[in-house]
Amino acid sequence: DVKVTQSSRYLVKRTGEKVFLECVQDMDHENMFWYRQDPGLGLRLIYFSYDVKMKEKGDIPEGYSVSREKKERFSLILESASTNQTSMYLCASSLIPTGAQPQHFGDGTRLSIL
Amino acid sequence: GEDVEQSLFLSVREGDSSVINCTYTDSSSTYLYWYKQEPGAGLQLLTYIFSNMDMKQDQRLTVLLNKKDKHLSLRIADTQTGDSAIYFCAEITDSWGKLQFGAGTQVVVTP
Repeated sequence: DVKVTQSSRYLVKRTGEKVFLECVQDMDHENMFWYRQDPGLGLRLIYFSYDVKMKEKGDIPEGYSVSREKKERFSLILESASTNQTSMYLCASSLIPTGAQPQHFGDGTRLSIL
Repeated sequence: GEDVEQSLFLSVREGDSSVINCTYTDSSSTYLYWYKQEPGAGLQLLTYIFSNMDMKQDQRLTVLLNKKDKHLSLRIADTQTGDSAIYFCAEITDSWGKLQFGAGTQVVVTP
């Protein structure tokens, strides 16, 4: 089974802090994704990566950056955290960008910015 | 742009069938997915359907696809309390495998 592991289930940070959310997958997947989930809005894509050191903006990249130095690890960075970034963050990975290769999700990080 | 719509809430009695509906707008979508999210957890893939299929059945789950109306549904037979969760439909939107999700349907199963 595919395992996508997010480093923290719950995280509390202060406004203005630099925040790192880590995600690791163990199935040699090319694609990795970061979403945020807010009630009534579903999942919104922040960034995705289709290869090491490659990244593409999603629908809501403002205030975020990402890093993918190794294939198995994809980090989401909040450069200067703000209260409107309080949310549930979900990481996902998929094998190849075509076909019925579904995205596999981690358990999520619930981030609170005070 | 693409938009996936779902009703936000469904209440169903234990033992009955649940039907969760979804409409999508991108007629070029090749695959459509159903995910389940239990409280405090990530998304778990339930099933998916290829766009050239009308129906797919997997144990208690039946997926129906009407491409003409861009309508997707998930039927859960003999609904159990463990089926209480949020259900998301999603469509592939490009060759990178990006997914567009609906807002999710909260399913509550009552005894």
